[in-house]
Amino acid sequence: DIQMTQSPSSLSASVGDRVTITCRASQGITNSLAWYQQKPGKVPKLLIYAASTLQSGVPSRFSGSGSGTDFTLTISSLQPGDVATYYCQKYNTAPWTFGQGTKVEIK
Amino acid sequence: EVQLVQSGAEVKKPGESLKISCQGSGYSFTTYWIVWVRQMPGKGLEWMGIIYPGDSVTRYSPSFQGQVTISADKSISTAYLQWSSLKASDTAMYYCARKKWDNSGMDVWGHGTTVTVSS
Repeated sequence: DIQMTQSPSSLSASVGDRVTITCRASQGITNSLAWYQQKPGKVPKLLIYAASTLQSGVPSRFSGSGSGTDFTLTISSLQPGDVATYYCQKYNTAPWTFGQGTKVEIK
Repeated sequence: EVQLVQSGAEVKKPGESLKISCQGSGYSFTTYWIVWVRQMPGKGLEWMGIIYPGDSVTRYSPSFQGQVTISADKSISTAYLQWSSLKASDTAMYYCARKKWDNSGMDVWGHGTTVTVSS
């Protein structure tokens, strides 16, 4: 099965900073990748699908890129409300594996 | 409004059986996959498996194959996740979510069902 590896596992950044999270697949998955945000105690929320398509209603400071094995989630200007754990997930074939998550905090 | 409504919290003893549910409304239940996701306390999201209610095609993660059963009753727009013999390690939050067959993500999630297994 294809493994999904996120880095870093956690990060601390200042309000207004540009934040980048990386997700690597152990084999190519074309662009069949989604990103989710889970705030503490809340239900996960879809941010991006097809590697770079912003889900309706998601702020434009979130963006995704990549194809094949390497993907990136970028928050262009970190806001206090962005404190959360972010997960990538591949869904080209079952199992639709999640990455281990990246916890984002405010410095 | 499109929503997935999950059954309530459960407290069970090891060895007991359990079936939790996820009812969809506001959309065509048979044309979206229903996904089950486990989140153990303080841990990340784990994909358990999926069912396509239109034809009941089911896929499981190798980690959960044989440990749980996923089913659906399309007549009442409800998917199920069941255990025949619970273990303490099944203590977790369980989410259902929907995903269309195409290149899209899991866009609607249930509120989650907490399962606690303790003697």
